[in-house]
Amino acid sequence: DTAVSQTPKYLVTQMGNDKSIKCEQNLGHDTMYWYKQDSKKFLKIMFSYNNKELIINETVPNRFSPKSPDKAHLNLHINSLELGDSAVYFCASGPTDFYEQYFGPGTRLTVT
Amino acid sequence: KQEVTQIPAALSVPEGENLVLNCSFTDSAIYNLQWFRQDPGKGLTSLLLIQSSQREQTSGRLNASLDKSSGRSTLYIAASQPGDSATYLCAVNAGKSTFGDGTTLTVKP
Repeated sequence: DTAVSQTPKYLVTQMGNDKSIKCEQNLGHDTMYWYKQDSKKFLKIMFSYNNKELIINETVPNRFSPKSPDKAHLNLHINSLELGDSAVYFCASGPTDFYEQYFGPGTRLTVT
Repeated sequence: KQEVTQIPAALSVPEGENLVLNCSFTDSAIYNLQWFRQDPGKGLTSLLLIQSSQREQTSGRLNASLDKSSGRSTLYIAASQPGDSATYLCAVNAGKSTFGDGTTLTVKP
């Protein structure tokens, strides 16, 4: 049983396009996160949601918009994709804010 | 601003050796610290979580310690195996998570 799942696993798209990445957790957790891991493998928090409410919004361009239809899902929509958006995006969940976190397998986004 | 540093950046050891990975952080006002492993092209797998009030946690051949006052944590791996080869990341949680850059471990058969 997959605890935190993401789709798609790979995403290749051209500059200027709009794309979405979906995340679902079946752990019953209240908190979900989006992280970005760049080419140097540095992992940085982007957003944190607790029970469908935005808790943390790090300094990311407003082209990135998270959407949480319910506490089991946190989707990431990206408008007007740029080359610099190429990275691996990880979704994670946890029982409460920044307690133990469980990560999804990641979505490798390549913008050409 | 919290800064997390992991030393060394890379480590190569022969199978069977005991080893220590280091994680240091600049702000000791933390809730907890979590150690992960990441295999190439994969997500992060949680290894150990240490609460700020704890000194250490153990799971199998892994032992993580925390000295909050000095801003340090270590991950001790006993009797290393080739399957332990991965990148090990520490995350310091204090309202938000700050990750170190990781230590890439290679265990040679």
